[in-house]
Amino acid sequence: EAQVTQNPRYLITVTGKKLTVTCSQNMNHEYMSWYRQDPGLGLRQIYYSMNVEVTDKGDVPEGYKVSRKEKRNFPLILESPSPNQTSLYFCASSLSDRAETQYFGPGTRLLVL
Amino acid sequence: DQQVKQNSPSLSVQEGRISILNCDYTNSMFDYFLWYKKYPAEGPTFLISISSIKDKNEDGRFTVFLNKSAKHLSLHIVPSQPGDSAVYFCAASGDSSYKLIFGSGTRLLVRP
Repeated sequence: EAQVTQNPRYLITVTGKKLTVTCSQNMNHEYMSWYRQDPGLGLRQIYYSMNVEVTDKGDVPEGYKVSRKEKRNFPLILESPSPNQTSLYFCASSLSDRAETQYFGPGTRLLVL
Repeated sequence: DQQVKQNSPSLSVQEGRISILNCDYTNSMFDYFLWYKKYPAEGPTFLISISSIKDKNEDGRFTVFLNKSAKHLSLHIVPSQPGDSAVYFCAASGDSSYKLIFGSGTRLLVRP
């Protein structure tokens, strides 16, 4: 079954404690993205990757890092989380750069205390 | 300043009637528009799209209309079904098709 998986699905942490949210896809897609969803703001792109070792900033990259060492994985790293990073995070992947071909993961709800 | 706006946070419609969800944008460089549907505890799924060279695109019960002069698009669902109850996001892209700007979403409730 074609899918994008994210782990963990729920996470409560404290300010400053480094964390990683993993994202994996089994469709051999080249393009992957991270988004955050906040009330009243919709989804905002954090980072995206066009292929292995190729990443670029989205609209809200501050406070986040990503890496793309393998095609299937695209982890999101918060080196020093802050309460304003409390949000619902989505990973997405697609075979091409056509946005309508994106598959989204189920989301990771993060609370930073 | 949000470039893509969905001014109605929620909409309630009777089953069988038409649902109309609206979206406005400010950036005239946007040339591709999409609608996504999202159920609770799931990621968004693509629903329908339209290029700026068209003013209408239809897929089954779903039709998207684009009015470029007004910088406005709308999604029509006819007839509405209870399973259509979800949050609908409109999104736009411009020079980079992979960079999407999303609206804040409209929660649709279709009453049986």
